[in-house]
Amino acid sequence: GAGVSQSPSNKVTEKGKDVELRCDPISGHTALYWYRQSLGQGLEFLIYFQGNSAPDKSGLPSDRFSAERTGGSVSTLTIQRTQQEDSAVYLCASSLDRATNEKLFFGSGTQLSVL
Amino acid sequence: AQTVTQSQPEMSVQEAETVTLSCTYDTSENNYYLFWYKQPPSRQMILVIRQEAYKQQNATENRFSVNFQKAAKSFSLKISDSQLGDTAMYFCAFMIIFGNEKLTFGTGTRLTIIP
Repeated sequence: GAGVSQSPSNKVTEKGKDVELRCDPISGHTALYWYRQSLGQGLEFLIYFQGNSAPDKSGLPSDRFSAERTGGSVSTLTIQRTQQEDSAVYLCASSLDRATNEKLFFGSGTQLSVL
Repeated sequence: AQTVTQSQPEMSVQEAETVTLSCTYDTSENNYYLFWYKQPPSRQMILVIRQEAYKQQNATENRFSVNFQKAAKSFSLKISDSQLGDTAMYFCAFMIIFGNEKLTFGTGTRLTIIP
């Protein structure tokens, strides 16, 4: 695609429900990142994929958070049993290769609101 | 661990004037990148400028330039001839070269250009 696409753009859910957030990176980009942006804060790293593998999952805040990437393309971030503190904008980014070598392209994020 | 500090939560400036956004960081690493990202209301993070720590020359991109002081661990962004379209959140970010692929962000500066 022309850019990094994220869906849904906005998601409102009830506390305790599971949610899935989707990221469709730029075609051919092997590196994919998830970040979380809480209100009034900078971006917090969650997870990094190189192809289908995730060399670094250290940013996932709890075991309620998981992510996968299939076919080296689309990634889904799943939050189980959502809590109010999970409310944030979840941003996805991709790059052709490792981010240190290539420009990082961000999507417009998913605004998650947990009531 | 790396930290990035932006001490100016909000700034405003008249159109066509020059404005400087401050950023300091803390690291024990010697090889790294520094970035300024712009986030308009669309939420998409847009790379403004990148500086490699091993380069002494300050990076410039049209109206945007940086003042990189490695010894002082300072990385400020200067926007010349500011335009209404420059109104956005600006984030300073840090990444270790061939490290853990994470961007560490500051908490941002909300910049408003006044007509």
